[in-house]
Amino acid sequence: QVQLTESGPGLVHPSETLSLTCTVSGFSLTGYSVYWVRQPSGKGLEWMGRMRYNGDTSYNSALKSRLSISRDTSKNQVFLKMNSLQTDDTGTYYCTRGGMGGDYWGQGVMVTVSS
Amino acid sequence: DIQVTQSPSSLLASLGERVTITCQTSQSISNNLNWYQQKPGQAPMLLIYYATSLQTGVPSRFSGQFSGRSFTLTITSLEPEDIANYFCLQHYSAPQTFGGGTKLELK
Repeated sequence: QVQLTESGPGLVHPSETLSLTCTVSGFSLTGYSVYWVRQPSGKGLEWMGRMRYNGDTSYNSALKSRLSISRDTSKNQVFLKMNSLQTDDTGTYYCTRGGMGGDYWGQGVMVTVSS
Repeated sequence: DIQVTQSPSSLLASLGERVTITCQTSQSISNNLNWYQQKPGQAPMLLIYYATSLQTGVPSRFSGQFSGRSFTLTITSLEPEDIANYFCLQHYSAPQTFGGGTKLELK
């Protein structure tokens, strides 16, 4: 059974760094890409970037300067780090499996950027 | 980036009614578009992939079609459990981009 579970702090202070973890089960990170998607509060969905099955990464150019995605295949985890957070980064963050463009999604983790 | 325009943004429909939601892309993406359903507090669920293929386990009342840059999701006969938000996603090129979503409610 394919599952993705996002975890991380619910509250981040402005200018700090967000660190999120996507823990997967039911598939291998060397067989599928994992994407990060977010939905800022009151806005639409935004594709942030991906960890490809072969370890390559790519990022949305709008976020590239602040974003880093990595993984630990032995722990079945993909990591997102985004720095210089501002209040408009508040929203729900999802990880998705890249099969067929995004076949399974986690439930998401709500992140609030506030002092 | 490829723009995806989804309409309508909200929709009132009756049980048993035929419902259609549309996504239009700013450039050709072949059939690289998916449809998802999302209910409050739940993960999005893939309904249709590559524009017309029904994901395993999804009821056959859901279907997808496309012509050129216009993509449609159809529910042939609305059931109570279909009340949800729906959105499309183009995965032809990075960054993937999403439609703005459609909130489907009961009339």
